[in-house]
Amino acid sequence: QKEVEQNSGPLSVPEGAIASLNCTYSDRGSQSFFWYRQYSGKSPELIMFIYSNGDKEDGRFTAQLNKASQYVSLLIRDSQPSDSATYLCAAPLGSARQLTFGSGTQLTVLP
Amino acid sequence: DGGITQSPKYLFRKEGQNVTLSCEQNLNHDAMYWYRQDPGQGLRLIYYSQIVNDFQKGDIAEGYSVSREKKESFPLTVTSAQKNPTAFYLCASSIQDLSLGNEQFFGPGTRLTVL
Repeated sequence: QKEVEQNSGPLSVPEGAIASLNCTYSDRGSQSFFWYRQYSGKSPELIMFIYSNGDKEDGRFTAQLNKASQYVSLLIRDSQPSDSATYLCAAPLGSARQLTFGSGTQLTVLP
Repeated sequence: DGGITQSPKYLFRKEGQNVTLSCEQNLNHDAMYWYRQDPGQGLRLIYYSQIVNDFQKGDIAEGYSVSREKKESFPLTVTSAQKNPTAFYLCASSIQDLSLGNEQFFGPGTRLTVL
């Protein structure tokens, strides 16, 4: 079965530090990956999409994709308490018409 | 404003009851999805629909049913056959092809509790 796996955490970092969130996937043919942020009791919101190998930066967020290792990560620089949330990795494994989600990593940024 | 609405926000079900969760979108998206989320868990796909009058089972379809009579609407019925329905239910929509970064947009969710 095609899967997306994340370390569920919880992960705690001090304010201003870099938070590193990781995701591995089973489908070697996967081309694209999404990172969603979900605050407690709320619905997920898209924060990053990455398609090609290497890094993609958007403000304080950097997504990194390594297709050879089947590994995608999200770095959050200068972490803020408002970044405290669950981060979900997702990919259209085996199909471009539905997403498979990881179980999410809970991040807490300590003031 | 374009978006996805879900109702009700909170729903309480008695044992043996069927309940229907509403999902409406005005984004003109062809594809719609229903997910279930349990505490501390990721999203699990219940059903999805790529076009009106057509839908497919996801990973955990047992005990659920859907219809897609209109492009804008994708209601989910939680039947009495679903033995542990207490969860957070999320509806989403998107352009059909997700491989090129087309975003899946989510509604605000319905929290279902069995009494």
